[in-house]
Amino acid sequence: SQQGEEDPQALSIQEGENATMNCSYKTSINNLQWYRQNSGRGLVHLILIRSNEREKHSGRLRVTLDTSKKSSSLLITASRAADTASYFCATDGNQGGKLIFGQGTELSVKP
Amino acid sequence: DAGVIQSPRHEVTEMGQEVTLRCKPISGHDYLFWYRQTMMRGLELLIYFNNNVPIDDSGMPEDRFSAKMPNASFSTLKIQPSEPRDSAVYFCASTPGVWNTIYFGEGSWLTVV
Repeated sequence: SQQGEEDPQALSIQEGENATMNCSYKTSINNLQWYRQNSGRGLVHLILIRSNEREKHSGRLRVTLDTSKKSSSLLITASRAADTASYFCATDGNQGGKLIFGQGTELSVKP
Repeated sequence: DAGVIQSPRHEVTEMGQEVTLRCKPISGHDYLFWYRQTMMRGLELLIYFNNNVPIDDSGMPEDRFSAKMPNASFSTLKIQPSEPRDSAVYFCASTPGVWNTIYFGEGSWLTVV
């Protein structure tokens, strides 16, 4: 079974708008990671947030983590057409080394 | 560094044939993972190794699948015999340690007809 579940499954926005994707998980974690996958390519790491962190920034990315609700969100500000991709959250489920991915959010940014 | 290298990138094979997928992890990474991605099931962890030793193979779908890591720089995922439902993208990934970023290869796109 999936450890992380993303919401929404698909998101379509205009260039310049912000995109927010959510992730919920089931068990306790050591960290939560977000990855991006362009069509036909492998996954690329975006950001890692540890269980004792609440918010983290990287460029136009902002990730929040609420361990009491077992949820995380990824915000992409001022989106660009090049941000079009699938975005996945992944958790270790407190199992050290075993990273389980959600189903992903497919983001489409229209120019 | 060249990153995680997978081969072949694309393979089309007939049902019943043996398929071998290969992976070279990033040098110095102690963990290696094999994932499978399909539209229906998303990204599934099949097996992972630590220091060449299989740690968790609970995701391997059935006995037709086997994985080996004979040394720190090479791993194989074998399907024998292959079936159409094995058609998927198979990703290899590696990481230097637990709770670290995982680095993915570009995937092996397998079609079994």
